[in-house]
Amino acid sequence: QSVLTQPPSVSAAPGQKVTISCSGSNSNIGNNYVSWYQQLPGTAPKLLIYENNKRPSGIPDRFSGSKSGTSATLGIAGLQTGDEADYYCTSWDSSLSGLVFGGGTKLTVL
Amino acid sequence: EVRLVASGGGLVQPGGSLKLSCAASGFTFSASDMHWVRQASGKGLEWVGRIRSKANSYATAYAASVKGRFTISRDDSKNTAYLQMNSLKTEDTAVYYCTRVGAPDDNWGQGTLVTVSS
Repeated sequence: QSVLTQPPSVSAAPGQKVTISCSGSNSNIGNNYVSWYQQLPGTAPKLLIYENNKRPSGIPDRFSGSKSGTSATLGIAGLQTGDEADYYCTSWDSSLSGLVFGGGTKLTVL
Repeated sequence: EVRLVASGGGLVQPGGSLKLSCAASGFTFSASDMHWVRQASGKGLEWVGRIRSKANSYATAYAASVKGRFTISRDDSKNTAYLQMNSLKTEDTAVYYCTRVGAPDDNWGQGTLVTVSS
């Protein structure tokens, strides 16, 4: 059971937009930054979003992040088949004094 | 370019020890907090622990599942972080990554596989 809660899977058609939610608490998302990672099959996780809504250099603006209260959301617009991957949210947890991850969400582009 | 190269993985028997290394380049290692994260085959990401920079007294923190068995250290003169793993259990089998979680130029590298089995 992960501290951060993500839907196990989401799906959408190419060109559409999808959102992935990440629910936590005041000890993590509510008072700390959220990062999002993409893990393509057989590869290491890759940073998509840091500090809730910032994109690293090279990440297209199709990817967006937002945070409200104790929840965060990753948005992916203009879906491509190459976006099929597992997506993870993460945040520091002040009560646990550790980093916590969501269980991951598998994105399928139909 | 930021590079994090984890090494030192391999096959070890339950109860054994292993020391992983993480060689860093392309950023100011000495000013960076370094994390270890692992992933068992077919499973999600699990945080192992973190070591802070000298400015933060090299403070360490560990996941409950490894506390007392794993130790993280660093050598800023070598731009390298370490993960000493003792009393290994079969459930520690995973790919281990070093990372600067949340840094704008975070790059996890390929990780190193640790297999605990008799």
